[in-house]
Amino acid sequence: EAGVAQSPRYKIIEKRQSVAFWCNPISGHATLYWYQQILGQGPKLLIQFQNNGVVDDSQLPKDRFSAERLKGVDSTLKIQPAKLEDSAVYLCASSQDWNTEAFFGQGTRLTVV
Amino acid sequence: AQSVAQPEDQVNVAEGNPLTVKCTYSVSGNPYLFWYVQYPNRGLQFLLKYITGDNLVKGSYGFEAEFNKSQTSFHLKKPSALVSDSALYFCAVRDEPTGANNLFFGTGTRLTVIP
Repeated sequence: EAGVAQSPRYKIIEKRQSVAFWCNPISGHATLYWYQQILGQGPKLLIQFQNNGVVDDSQLPKDRFSAERLKGVDSTLKIQPAKLEDSAVYLCASSQDWNTEAFFGQGTRLTVV
Repeated sequence: AQSVAQPEDQVNVAEGNPLTVKCTYSVSGNPYLFWYVQYPNRGLQFLLKYITGDNLVKGSYGFEAEFNKSQTSFHLKKPSALVSDSALYFCAVRDEPTGANNLFFGTGTRLTVIP
């Protein structure tokens, strides 16, 4: 079974630039998550989708972050404009449903300079 | 709101010795508890979960965890540590469904198994 795919693996941008991350979840998984993991910390949920609807985006900085999950499959996370403090690993995960274990992609390491 | 604490940033254990990585939680309802492992430059890998049933849960790679409701703990254990177990371990909790399904992670414990 193919895992969660994310791209790119690494990205370096200057502050105030924009960036987008892509995620392809495990086939058939209804729930998709985006997490931010800052160095030395545990992952923090940014947004959770159930199919193509948003379940929880309470910790998403909506003035600069946006995410969508068209057709309930792939998802993109965008940051515009980026700040230095956005430097982190962005993890995408999926699960069969909201109450089952989540499977994670390898993440995208973002460095904002 | 739910929370999870991993009181030890670092745990060192000799190869072949038993290991324990500690986790305590706080939820308003019944907890759904998970352990994940993260190797360098890799995503998180699911190890095991407790939803309901037996308090001792067995998972991948010989790991197990014991759910203790009175102590609100879910410690990760392995009878005999391997050098390859060295990694970063995260405990996570989800509150019984109330509409908020956030899977909340602890800050992680770095396990080092010494040959």
